[in-house]
Amino acid sequence: GAGVSQSPSNKVTEKGKDVELRCDPISGHTALYWYRQSLGQGLEFLIYFQGNSAPDKSGLPSDRFSAERTGGSVSTLTIQRTQQEDSAVYLCASSLAGLSSYEQYFGPGTRLTVT
Amino acid sequence: AQSVTQLDSQVPVFEEAPVELRCNYSSSVSVYLFWYVQYPNQGLQLLLKYLSGSTLVESINGFEAEFNKSQTSFHLRKPSVHISDTAEYFCAVRARGGGNKLTFGTGTQLKVEL
Repeated sequence: GAGVSQSPSNKVTEKGKDVELRCDPISGHTALYWYRQSLGQGLEFLIYFQGNSAPDKSGLPSDRFSAERTGGSVSTLTIQRTQQEDSAVYLCASSLAGLSSYEQYFGPGTRLTVT
Repeated sequence: AQSVTQLDSQVPVFEEAPVELRCNYSSSVSVYLFWYVQYPNQGLQLLLKYLSGSTLVESINGFEAEFNKSQTSFHLRKPSVHISDTAEYFCAVRARGGGNKLTFGTGTQLKVEL
């Protein structure tokens, strides 16, 4: 079956512009996660959606970052007024709920470069 | 809160040699433990996990990891590596009982040479 897909695979933007990154989770997965992979800093949790519950936004680094998940499926991560330190690979993951939620399936990521 | 330390950013090793990738964690609550692998130009994949029971867990491709609660470690080992094991390996933890987010280490680049 299809895995987690993300688009675009690469995005180059100028400082100050807004960007939108898209994630399509695995069908039937109710949980969706966004992480950021920066050079030398590993993976950093950003936000987590589970069903209709309020999202866990505790990892968002600033109010320039926001995310939504429409219809319990596709998610969009938006970064406003991008800064150079936002350059990173943004990874999306999805999982089942309940006891099976420990295994997260990752997408290929979106490489964001802010010039 | 949890944190994960992978002290070795790069580990070069010759093919068929043994390897150990170190992982230590810190947490105020009990955790689940994971190793993820990222092959070149591919996404992260779950390699193995410790949820409960036997502290020694194995993957299908010969890796194993042992949960050591007293040392708060979850080191990854393989007795004989192959060129195809070249990848970046990430250790991760997740708090038991609530919250599904993973806390990752900074990763260890394993480079297997002939």
